[in-house]
Amino acid sequence: ELKVEQNPLFLSMQEGKNYTIYCNYSTTSDRLYWYRQDPGKSLESLFVLLSNGAVKQEGRLMASLDTKARLSTLHITAAVHDLSATYFCAVDLASYQLIWGAGTKLIIKP
Amino acid sequence: EAQVTQNPRYLITVTGKKLTVTCSQNMNHEYMSWYRQDPGLGLRQIYYSMNVEVTDKGDVPEGYKVSRKEKRNFPLILESPSPNQTSLYFCASSFLAGGQETQYFGPGTRLLVL
Repeated sequence: ELKVEQNPLFLSMQEGKNYTIYCNYSTTSDRLYWYRQDPGKSLESLFVLLSNGAVKQEGRLMASLDTKARLSTLHITAAVHDLSATYFCAVDLASYQLIWGAGTKLIIKP
Repeated sequence: EAQVTQNPRYLITVTGKKLTVTCSQNMNHEYMSWYRQDPGLGLRQIYYSMNVEVTDKGDVPEGYKVSRKEKRNFPLILESPSPNQTSLYFCASSFLAGGQETQYFGPGTRLLVL
């Protein structure tokens, strides 16, 4: 059974600190997505990672993909309160089906 | 404005009463999908469609039906809703370009089945 595991599931951190969210998956895939969800809101795309070694950055967020290790990371640099949200990774199976992680709830305290 | 719309946004119904949640996108996307979101479980894919008249089961299709008669619309049908279908539902769409591109999500439909 395909599994997508995120950790941690909950993260409380101080502004200005760095941290990394991990997304492990159990099957072969060359395509992985990161999404953000604010409380009570819909989901917003952050990154699409299309190949081994892919790295993308937007502001204080940087995502990477290691398809051999079946691991993606979302790194937060010098966190600010506005980044508080739940972050999801999703793995694209070759059949266009997506399997999602359970999400990481991130709280950034002033 | 490019968007995915869902209706209704909130719905309270009773067990067994058929309902339809509509989803429409104005971006000419080939791919459309339905998800349910439950606390601690992330999103689970119900059905997806790669184009008109092409639909396929996702992770949790039991108790749901879909149709894709037009490219822009992808309704979700619950023929006989049960309390375990109480959830937050999202519709999403994207282009397909050698694989699925970024999905755009609708605002969500919160369903309560009594």
